[in-house]
Amino acid sequence: DGGITQSPKYLFRKEGQNVTLSCEQNLNHDAMYWYRQDPGQGLRLIYYSQIVNDFQKGDIAEGYSVSREKKESFPLTVTSAQKNPTAFYLCASSIVGTNTGELFFGEGSRLTVL
Amino acid sequence: GNSVTQMEGPVTLSEEAFLTINCTYTATGYPSLFWYVQYPGEGLQLLLKATKADDKGSNKGFEATYRKETTSFHLEKGSVQVSDSAVYFCALSPLGGATNKLIFGTGTLLAVQP
Repeated sequence: DGGITQSPKYLFRKEGQNVTLSCEQNLNHDAMYWYRQDPGQGLRLIYYSQIVNDFQKGDIAEGYSVSREKKESFPLTVTSAQKNPTAFYLCASSIVGTNTGELFFGEGSRLTVL
Repeated sequence: GNSVTQMEGPVTLSEEAFLTINCTYTATGYPSLFWYVQYPGEGLQLLLKATKADDKGSNKGFEATYRKETTSFHLEKGSVQVSDSAVYFCALSPLGGATNKLIFGTGTLLAVQP
């Protein structure tokens, strides 16, 4: 079945460590996104990419990095520079050019910093 | 700028009760409007959408009407079920652009009791 796969589902990290969250899609979508979800704050956009080898910062990019070497993959690295990394991270994808507003989401990765 | 405001939860209802979750927006021009639903432990799914004023989106018994005059997109359902328990997000997509950079509200938790 087509969809978006995020891994791991749960991740624990010590302070000062970088961690990479995986996001893979087989929907043949050009655009991919990373959102952060915190209680009471809804979803905030971290990074997005419209095409391979190109990506743009969202509203809260500080302390995060991404790459887009393949159309299917958009990994997110949470660096030690991110002051408050404990959160639920959601990856999404969409078709480019139609602006239908329909994002397809993965099931999320919950990161806890100990 | 663009923003979405939705009523705070949690909203607790008995099965078969009527549901309204309020959503108002601020945007330049005429954005597209959406409701997404997040079931426990999962990512978000598109529930319904409306792309122009007076449009009514509907799905699974839920409805919302795009009201330009009141800048609102309230979600309604005539008779909720326990299986409707989830977090509901109102979102907008600014006019124009090739990507679906949605702006989300903070989410409203709905708990339906048998």
